[in-house]
Amino acid sequence: EDQVTQSPEALRLQEGESSSLNCSYTVSGLRGLFWYRQDPGKGPEFLFTLYSAGEEKEKERLKATLTKKESFLHITAPKPEDSATYLCAVQAVVGISGGYNKLIFGAGTRLAVHP
Amino acid sequence: DAGVIQSPRHEVTEMGQEVTLRCKPISGHDYLFWYRQTMMRGLELLIYFNNNVPIDDSGMPEDRFSAKMPNASFSTLKIQPSEPRDSAVYFCASSLEGGDTQPQHFGDGTRLSIL
Repeated sequence: EDQVTQSPEALRLQEGESSSLNCSYTVSGLRGLFWYRQDPGKGPEFLFTLYSAGEEKEKERLKATLTKKESFLHITAPKPEDSATYLCAVQAVVGISGGYNKLIFGAGTRLAVHP
Repeated sequence: DAGVIQSPRHEVTEMGQEVTLRCKPISGHDYLFWYRQTMMRGLELLIYFNNNVPIDDSGMPEDRFSAKMPNASFSTLKIQPSEPRDSAVYFCASSLEGGDTQPQHFGDGTRLSIL
């Protein structure tokens, strides 16, 4: 069964204190891994898509990396405005019959960055 | 650019009443998704449409839930009759064709409370 586990559940950082969030996944064949950011009272906001092991994507203070079993979201010198819940989702490859495989979301990591 | 628009943002109603949630996807997007988010179960896919046609409704919890997409710019999710356990945040998302390689873009959700 396809599964996504994110750790830690919650993370508290001081401004400028770099850290990493983890997304471990089990999927029959990975089509894509997605990172989203969700602010309170808002919908998830797309950050990155990763497709294959070794791939990396960067955006401002965020860098996402991918291995065959997990993805990391590295946050360098975070600021209070980086506080949010970060969601990871995976999508399995489409089978021979075609179609579309739904995203499987993890429970998220709640990040709080304090000044 | 206008994102995914959902209405209402908040809905409070009594058990047994009919609830209708509305969604306007991003213009030109071919896929539309309805999700439910709770603390206990996270983000769950309820149903998705491709070119206005329902493709997979296996996530719809009960027959009390129904969804329609009469045209490319409008979709509804209806609960009749509503129950307190339906209380959650309901999100609509849309994406371009080639949905397995395109990110889903989410609206800001409808917070539903059933008393």
